[in-house]
Amino acid sequence: AQSVTQLGSHVSVSEGALVLLRCNYSSSVPPYLFWYVQYPNQGLQLLLKYTTGATLVKGINGFEAEFKKSETSFHLTKPSAHMSDAAEYFCAVTPLFSGGYNKLIFGAGTRLAVHP
Amino acid sequence: DTAVSQTPKYLVTQMGNDKSIKCEQNLGHDTMYWYKQDSKKFLKIMFSYNNKELIINETVPNRFSPKSPDKAHLNLHINSLELGDSAVYFCASSQGQYGTGELFFGEGSRLTVL
Repeated sequence: AQSVTQLGSHVSVSEGALVLLRCNYSSSVPPYLFWYVQYPNQGLQLLLKYTTGATLVKGINGFEAEFKKSETSFHLTKPSAHMSDAAEYFCAVTPLFSGGYNKLIFGAGTRLAVHP
Repeated sequence: DTAVSQTPKYLVTQMGNDKSIKCEQNLGHDTMYWYKQDSKKFLKIMFSYNNKELIINETVPNRFSPKSPDKAHLNLHINSLELGDSAVYFCASSQGQYGTGELFFGEGSRLTVL
């Protein structure tokens, strides 16, 4: 079964510093890959996704992620953290052999804290 | 205008009771989902409906029964509530059932079973 591993359940950065949230997936065939963000007491919102094509994908709020097949990774980055980036971030995959349904498999999440 | 709305947002109840959570989306999507988020923030799919037809049914106890009266609504009824049912339940929708993966989530319904 496919799985998603997010290294680090909590990440803390200073405002203006680089944000790096790590995600690795287990699959012999690259699935579709996603990052979702959850602000406190809200639902999840899609940040960005990779399906095919260019391996560096840009999302909302200045975030981007790079798909590296050789490393089975899809790490999320942002050059300069803002206080409003504080949230829970979830990496997710859609298994290619699930019948094609939107059966997202989520990682355990990484809580990003941004301090002044 | 809330795209995916769930009611109620908070639900506190006793073990053994039956409760329902309702979900409505005004995005014109044809596919809706229920996800469960446990106390460790782990999210797991429970059910999915496409045009009122059940297409995903994970290994969920049969105390949980989803119902989709039309493609804009998906309700979740839970019988004989147990302590372990305490969680946040998220409704989501998407256009199409096949894997673009862009789901639109509601704000969640926090269920506490005492």
